[in-house]
Amino acid sequence: RKEVEQDPGPFNVPEGATVAFNCTYSNSASQSFFWYRQDCRKEPKLLMSVYSSGNEDGRFTAQLNRASQYISLLIRDSKLSDSATYLCVVNTGNQFYFGTGTSLTVIP
Amino acid sequence: GAVVSQHPSWVICKSGTSVKIECRSLDFQATTMFWYRQFPKQSLMLMATSNEGSKATYEQGVEKDKFLINHASLTLSTLTVTSAHPEDSSFYICSERAGGGYNEQFFGPGTRLTVL
Repeated sequence: RKEVEQDPGPFNVPEGATVAFNCTYSNSASQSFFWYRQDCRKEPKLLMSVYSSGNEDGRFTAQLNRASQYISLLIRDSKLSDSATYLCVVNTGNQFYFGTGTSLTVIP
Repeated sequence: GAVVSQHPSWVICKSGTSVKIECRSLDFQATTMFWYRQFPKQSLMLMATSNEGSKATYEQGVEKDKFLINHASLTLSTLTVTSAHPEDSSFYICSERAGGGYNEQFFGPGTRLTVL
């Protein structure tokens, strides 16, 4: 079983829509969780860390469910500029495990 | 977040040549940096952990004699792809981890290597 699993998508949504991504992880001892955004042919950029109590940054909300071992990312009022691949990253000990990414395209 | 630079951003070379990629931490001293490789439509794969002043730690399946890592200073780590072959063509990205109890990684802009 992979350390981190994501639905690769693609997700094609209209502008203004709300879209949610989930990511599951296999190691219950994992301690830190992140969502990164990666544009085509660019490096991943940190979108937000995911805290146990959940956290929000503008249109983006991240949630952590330790019991079910998944994290989620909710994007409200999607913009064209949100089109990218969203990577789920899990830190376990000294290791970082990357999901394969979920592709999002926001359509005008 | 941390600022990381990489050079070159894009390199094309002939099969059999060696290519050096530099990764610099611009805003703080990084004792540890990470090297990743990403093939098209795949996720990042950790190649090695670069430790300042000591040998790098390579992931299973990564040939240390082919991918030479040098971390001679706190702000510079280099990856040299020796005797490059077309199958080494990939996107190579370095990163550093934020300090102060935070675990976020910050990535360099990546180097796209094409071996002809």
